[in-house]
Amino acid sequence: DTGVSQDPRHKITKRGQNVTFRCDPISEHNRLYWYRQTLGQGPEFLTYFQNEAQLEKSRLLSDRFSAERPKGSFSTLEIQRTEQGDSAMYLCASSLGAGINEKLFFGSGTQLSVL
Amino acid sequence: EDKVVQSPLSLVVHEGDTVTLNCSYEVTNFRSLLWYKQEKKAPTFLFMLTSSGIEKKSGRLSSILDKKELFSILNITATQTGDSAIYLCATRGSNYQLIWGAGTKLIIKP
Repeated sequence: DTGVSQDPRHKITKRGQNVTFRCDPISEHNRLYWYRQTLGQGPEFLTYFQNEAQLEKSRLLSDRFSAERPKGSFSTLEIQRTEQGDSAMYLCASSLGAGINEKLFFGSGTQLSVL
Repeated sequence: EDKVVQSPLSLVVHEGDTVTLNCSYEVTNFRSLLWYKQEKKAPTFLFMLTSSGIEKKSGRLSSILDKKELFSILNITATQTGDSAIYLCATRGSNYQLIWGAGTKLIIKP
């Protein structure tokens, strides 16, 4: 059983650079979520996809952030012109179905450090 | 505004102790409450609760929901060092998105 995988595990970049993260969900899962987590906080919702359609994006999310899921399988999250405040753990999660019984399965995350 | 508050923020106990973690919430049109364990990176699912007063149990872990008083507790009995982790609580409301608490960091000393 391959769970949710994320790549890279760690990324160090300089302020102003662009970064891209990849998430491979559990194969039959049709929903894919991106979250951001900082130390001492719970995950903060960024965006989610139902198959290839991006259904919701956080109102708090800067337009420097963009996500895609072109074929309804893997997803990428790109951050343009990174800022030090973008330093965080970026978590991807996937699920099968929706509604009150939906359970999310998380990847191990990508730890981003912006210098 | 929907919110989830967990307490305590951190807790240190000795192996063999019993712990109770709390999660209180204010959510529009509450649907469900979930508990996750986060050891190093990936949160892993523990329980989903939708009905008041029905205990969910898995080994030494159990959880119950009180929809009248708007809280849930997670109990861990006979704690082991492997229980050391951050325990996250999340609720699902009217828009079906999860609202997360900040977590309780639990440290079990041998």
